Amino acid sequence: AQSVTQPDIHITVSEGASLELRCNYSYGATPYLFWYVQSPGQGLQLLLKYFSGDTLVQGIKGFEAEFKRSQSSFNLRKPSVHWSDAAEYFCAARSQAGTALIFGKGTTLSVSS
Amino acid sequence: NAGVTQTPKFQVLKTGQSMTLQCAQDMNHEYMSWYRQDPGMGLRLIHYSVGAGITDQGEVPNGYNVSRSTTEDFPLRLLSAAPSQTSVYFCASSENTEAFFGQGTRLTVV
Repeated sequence: AQSVTQPDIHITVSEGASLELRCNYSYGATPYLFWYVQSPGQGLQLLLKYFSGDTLVQGIKGFEAEFKRSQSSFNLRKPSVHWSDAAEYFCAARSQAGTALIFGKGTTLSVSS
Repeated sequence: NAGVTQTPKFQVLKTGQSMTLQCAQDMNHEYMSWYRQDPGMGLRLIHYSVGAGITDQGEVPNGYNVSRSTTEDFPLRLLSAAPSQTSVYFCASSENTEAFFGQGTRLTVV
């Protein structure tokens, strides 16, 4: 069955430190991949997406993600975290022929001063 | 451009009551979907539609009903609310490359 796994439920990072959030997918073929962010009480905002081509994808708010086919991973990174980055982050995938997004269970990011 | 509009934003229901969560999009997208979000569970697909008159079940369809009479609207119906349906509900509208989400409806069933 198709699935998306985010191994880390909660991560705490010091302000100014680097961040990496992990995401693994299980699909028969390489899916389209997405990262969304959700601030408390808010909807979902798309950070970045990968369809094909360059495996390093740049997104909004200084985020980037790297697609690694050999590891079935699409990890999200940011070189220097700001307090405003505290939120919940969701990795999602969709098969190229399909329409339904499948989400991971999310990673909550806390930023300490 | 409003995008995806969900109403209401908050709702409290008594067990057994029925209600309809509204979702409308103005982007002329064929694909629309409903998700529920519960703590620690991420977003789970309830129902989706690939166009007017066509709907299908997602991962957690029980207790919910949908219809799609127009491209713009995709309402979600709870016929007899149960406490297990307490959740935050998101509607999404998609083109080929990206999904756009509404702001959510926070539903509490008491």
